[in-house]
Amino acid sequence: EVQLVQSGAEVKKPGESLKISCEGSGYSFSHYWIGWVRQMPGKGLEWMGILFPGDSDTRYSPSFQGQVTISADNSISTAYLQWSSLKASDTAIYYCARQTSSSINDAFDVWGQGTMVTVSS
Amino acid sequence: QSVLTQPPSVSAAPGRKVTISCSGSSSNIGNNYVSWFQQLPGTAPKLLILDNNKRPSGIPDRFSGSKSGTSATLGITGLQTGDEADYYCATWDTSLSIGVFGTGTKVTVL
Repeated sequence: EVQLVQSGAEVKKPGESLKISCEGSGYSFSHYWIGWVRQMPGKGLEWMGILFPGDSDTRYSPSFQGQVTISADNSISTAYLQWSSLKASDTAIYYCARQTSSSINDAFDVWGQGTMVTVSS
Repeated sequence: QSVLTQPPSVSAAPGRKVTISCSGSSSNIGNNYVSWFQQLPGTAPKLLILDNNKRPSGIPDRFSGSKSGTSATLGITGLQTGDEADYYCATWDTSLSIGVFGTGTKVTVL
């Protein structure tokens, strides 16, 4: 079974750093694009960025460029989303999702369960 | 600000049909495949439709997708209380070189 399992909920203070993870299983991790999606409380889905683990090709939405870093470790089939300095406005649920193929413009067919990030002083 | 526009809400009685529109432009829907997602309360989104009109394994044929020009439509027939959820369209935007989601539509079963 193809699965994405994300790390647990985080509570952080403004200015702190954070790295959340997304472990893939049941498929060849390096051959499929993995993306990150933000959902702020009570709001819709926002496409943040995407990475191809095979060659680390990464694309960011302009809204998130410079605000987060997407990376992966193929040896443990895990993708990451990290912040160097969190803001209260980063409070949201973050989902990782796998695309259906090695094409960058395909659909997200498998989703992680989501990681709730709360940033509060 | 999403580049794909959906109605905020649609509703219908059990057993009836609803359609959800997703309006974009030539740089996104007009030249790329559209997918649709269902998000039940408190859960992760689930893929309902990919490549405009294909259903993944396990998705009932009550759900259908279509595309015409720069707009796409999701149809749900035989509406059930379990269909109450938020629905999102998504596609690739060739000009922006990023993926984009629609604004989302809440489906209510009366």
